Amino acid sequence: SAVISQKPSRDICQRGTSLTIQCQVDSQVTMMFWYRQQPGQSLTLIATANQGSEATYESGFVIDKFPISRPNLTFSTLTVSNMSPEDSSIYLCSVGGWSGGAGAADTQYFGPGTRLTVL
Amino acid sequence: AQTVTQSQPEMSVQEAETVTLSCTYDTSESDYYLFWYKQPPSRQMILVIRQEAYKQQNATENRFSVNFQKAAKSFSLKISDSQLGDAAMYFCAYRSGGGGADGLTFGKGTHLIIQP
Repeated sequence: SAVISQKPSRDICQRGTSLTIQCQVDSQVTMMFWYRQQPGQSLTLIATANQGSEATYESGFVIDKFPISRPNLTFSTLTVSNMSPEDSSIYLCSVGGWSGGAGAADTQYFGPGTRLTVL
Repeated sequence: AQTVTQSQPEMSVQEAETVTLSCTYDTSESDYYLFWYKQPPSRQMILVIRQEAYKQQNATENRFSVNFQKAAKSFSLKISDSQLGDAAMYFCAYRSGGGGADGLTFGKGTHLIIQP
């Protein structure tokens, strides 16, 4: 599968601050996605990031709170703005449309996640 | 909107035995994909198996196989010869067809415990 890295792997932040999470892929991919996993919960899609266009946000997520950049086909960032303790979650980047291997283009592969704690 | 339901919050199985995890989904689409992902305590999401809805044949990957019942909208995962390393959260996921532009919809997950 594609090799996906995220930075930072974890962070502890103060209320009211912002954190930018980076996602880097070792090959070009069409689609990049950001998910949130609240403690003990399943994954929820935040937004889809396409290169060269605005990100598409799911219901309940807004650009002012979660601005996303996608400057090229191997990199994306997610910023969690004006954080509150309710933002404490694992944030995961995933990629789709990877060209390697049978069926790979239809599959999403995930990065290792960023564990965010907001005090 | 599509929904994915995993009705078993937790399952336990003896090492070397077989276990089946259940998943049902609701959709009005005919073209879609279904996945099982594994999430160990490291939190890394690992693809276990993928099923294309247009394929009648059930997918298999070594000790992992699925029972895909399209009419019943059921997609269960069978793990044979369970190993200690299989202990993890297992998530069933749905994705609409059409070029991979859509994100995944996940079930709530099943916590699988392997008893030595």
